Amino acid sequence: GAVVSQHPSWVICKSGTSVKIECRSLDFQATTMFWYRQFPKQSLMLMATSNEGSKATYEQGVEKDKFLINHASLTLSTLTVTSAHPEDSSFYICSARGVNQAGGNEQFFGPGTRLTVL
Amino acid sequence: AQSVTQPDIHITVSEGASLELRCNYSYGATPYLFWYVQSPGQGLQLLLKYFSGDTLVQGIKGFEAEFKRSQSSFNLRKPSVHWSDAAEYFCAVGPTGGGNKLTFGTGTQLKVEL
Repeated sequence: GAVVSQHPSWVICKSGTSVKIECRSLDFQATTMFWYRQFPKQSLMLMATSNEGSKATYEQGVEKDKFLINHASLTLSTLTVTSAHPEDSSFYICSARGVNQAGGNEQFFGPGTRLTVL
Repeated sequence: AQSVTQPDIHITVSEGASLELRCNYSYGATPYLFWYVQSPGQGLQLLLKYFSGDTLVQGIKGFEAEFKRSQSSFNLRKPSVHWSDAAEYFCAVGPTGGGNKLTFGTGTQLKVEL
């Protein structure tokens, strides 16, 4: 149980285009989903927290107009990188926390999406 | 503010040798502590977690970790490393009683020599 998927697993796009990344909880309902960014050989940096049905909360320094997050259902959150530029190239990882989840603050992670902006 | 320090950026061990990865945290209350493993190009897999109770926790793949409040540490151990354990290991801390933000350490890259 507690499987999180991401789609696509990798994407290459041209500078100036927008890219949407999906994060789905496959076998549980996720009231909260998190989006992380990971640069090569570095740790995960939390970008934003999204709660189903409400606006995402962005971490300091993350442009909310650049990284649009939608959490329209209990099993799906999307991250849209708008007007992508090469500096947005990174590994984006989502995680999800379920309803009434035993064990407190555990998050289940997706496999990540590799974004390359040319 | 909470923080996590993993002092070792790279560690190399021989297959069959024991392993200890260090993790120190800074947190104002009793934290939730986690160890995750990441293989190249993959997401994170939870190895083990500590919330309360027995300070020695057992995880998957033969890993264990010990919570030491006096040292603010949560070191990961494995008695005999396998070549397939080569990966990046992240320690993370989060608040008790729910809440959102997990703070990750910078990771330790484990290399296993055959």
